[in-house]
Amino acid sequence: QAGLTQPPSVSKGLRQTATLTCTGNSNNVGNEGAAWLQQHQGHPPRLLSYRNNNRPSGISERFSASRSGNTASLTITGLQPEDEADYYCSARDSSLNVVVFGGGTKLTVL
Amino acid sequence: EVQLLESGGGLVQPGGSLRLSCAASGFSFSSYAMSWVRQAPGKGLEWVSSISDSGGSTPYTDSVKGRFTISRDNSKSALYLQMNSLRTEDTAIYYCATRPAFDIWGQGTMVTVSS
Repeated sequence: QAGLTQPPSVSKGLRQTATLTCTGNSNNVGNEGAAWLQQHQGHPPRLLSYRNNNRPSGISERFSASRSGNTASLTITGLQPEDEADYYCSARDSSLNVVVFGGGTKLTVL
Repeated sequence: EVQLLESGGGLVQPGGSLRLSCAASGFSFSSYAMSWVRQAPGKGLEWVSSISDSGGSTPYTDSVKGRFTISRDNSKSALYLQMNSLRTEDTAIYYCATRPAFDIWGQGTMVTVSS
């Protein structure tokens, strides 16, 4: 049950744009797309985007998701201090009938 | 208010058992598949198990197969995780969450497996 691949860390400046990536295969990301979750230290995760770019109500339009082949991306525009958090991608693996997570990306806003 | 509330965590010795519960409120629990997701201290998220809305499908991650059992009681809007033969590597915060979108999460319950 190999997980999805995310870069461990990304650093960007205030008001800049960050793009986080998540690479899987044709059975998971490439099949049903990915969900993106944000987690601040000491808090449970929060859904940002589901199946590539379906945002729950209350999630800022600064967060947008996309997919190209087996790689999903989360783009955060106009970075704010509160965007500093861990970001996880997740997808269902249709061949194994399991859920896989990425290892998470720690986003630092400079 | 839409809410998931986990309970049942605690300190247990290796080889012991615990039963986690997750109480749902504010939404139609019986219409949702559910999952347990855990997070070891300082580590990332790890999917543990899911259960379909009817309870008929219950996949597990390989490391807990044969030891953990997920179940639900739709009449009580409750999700459960029976954990047997616990190992030190099962130490984590255990979250329940709705599927398939992971759009609702509980606050988590801490499970510590240690002698």
